[in-house]
Amino acid sequence: DSGVTQTPKHLITATGQRVTLRCSPRSGDLSVYWYQQSLDQGLQFLIQYYNGEERAKGNILERFSAQQFPDLHSELNLSSLELGDSALYFCASTRELVTDTQYFGPGTRLTVL
Amino acid sequence: GENVEQHPSTLSVQEGDSAVIKCTYSDSASNYFPWYKQELGKRPQLIIDIRSNVGEKKDQRIAVTLNKTAKHFSLHITETQPEDSAVYFCAASRSAAGNKLTFGGGTRVLVKP
Repeated sequence: DSGVTQTPKHLITATGQRVTLRCSPRSGDLSVYWYQQSLDQGLQFLIQYYNGEERAKGNILERFSAQQFPDLHSELNLSSLELGDSALYFCASTRELVTDTQYFGPGTRLTVL
Repeated sequence: GENVEQHPSTLSVQEGDSAVIKCTYSDSASNYFPWYKQELGKRPQLIIDIRSNVGEKKDQRIAVTLNKTAKHFSLHITETQPEDSAVYFCAASRSAAGNKLTFGGGTRVLVKP
């Protein structure tokens, strides 16, 4: 167990809908990273937050957004869902910005029908 | 941006033999290179990592080597066991870019008893 938690574990929804994925970092970790793992794109970085502020952005679609709250948990919002958004979504956390070792949560499997 | 290539995509070895996975990266400023093991439907688990100031690191049956000049790094697993069967991902990051990980495409390793 990495200490990073994610909810829900599974999510099944329809095209056009909106969902929210939640991540709680390890105790004391200030930075949260979101990654998407799909069969055709592999593991891809989406976005990073540090202590409530956005720090880096990857290939995140405009339909996706995220935020990190004062208690340091983070939420990834996916809207206008398409079939191709079906994937495993992982978050990872690190203690500080300069900390490189990332520990991954168990992931949320999103299925868009 | 950073690009990480990983080879081979699949690797089948006999139990007790060694397995070697190779990755190349494009950004010479990358300074951290972790390896993750992922079982089906589970989170990526960090198995070993190496930083750019080190050429080699070993942890029991697992070792990683880094050649900064050639911009490639390799994972070596000796005395493979059936429980080593999984997908292995290499990744690269640089602290100046917030340590977001760029992953290779993965190697599916099958250890035959």
